[in-house]
Amino acid sequence: RKEVEQDPGPFNVPEGATVAFNCTYSNSASQSFFWYRQDCRKEPKLLMSVYSSGNEDGRFTAQLNRASQYISLLIRDSKLSDSATYLCVVNPQHGNKLVFGAGTILRVKS
Amino acid sequence: DVKVTQSSRYLVKRTGEKVFLECVQDMDHENMFWYRQDPGLGLRLIYFSYDVKMKEKGDIPEGYSVSREKKERFSLILESASTNQTSMYLCASSQQNTGELFFGEGSRLTVL
Repeated sequence: RKEVEQDPGPFNVPEGATVAFNCTYSNSASQSFFWYRQDCRKEPKLLMSVYSSGNEDGRFTAQLNRASQYISLLIRDSKLSDSATYLCVVNPQHGNKLVFGAGTILRVKS
Repeated sequence: DVKVTQSSRYLVKRTGEKVFLECVQDMDHENMFWYRQDPGLGLRLIYFSYDVKMKEKGDIPEGYSVSREKKERFSLILESASTNQTSMYLCASSQQNTGELFFGEGSRLTVL
């Protein structure tokens, strides 16, 4: 079983739609969680951290469910510019070694 | 603007050649990483370093070595390139114990 699993998609949605991605992780002792965004032919960049209480940044909401070992990302009012690959990232233990999921592709169409 | 710079965007090498991939960061970060990214597999950690002259194996170190002689520079070495090392190689840096990695633009290596 992979340490971090994501539905690869692609998710094809119209502009203005709400879309949600889930990600599951295998190590119950994992300490911290993140969503990264990677545009086509570009490097990944941090989108947001995921906190136990859930957190929101504009149209983006991240949630953590420790009991079920999954993380979610909700995007409201999708824009064309949201088209990208979204990477779920987990830090399995205290330290610096992050584990990346393979990514979920989002395509927002007009 | 903070920056991680990788020396080559595209390389084509032959099987058996020695390959050097260079990475430089200007943020005075302690940690530096080398990943490879392949379709369907995501980013996989090859090696990382949390200090000068320190290195630790990641998940797929076989066939690779690294060097960190200065804080800002982390090199990935393929002693004898093989076709299964054709991939996108991404260098990253971070401060200690943070989840924010800063990536370079990547080096796409093709081994023929």
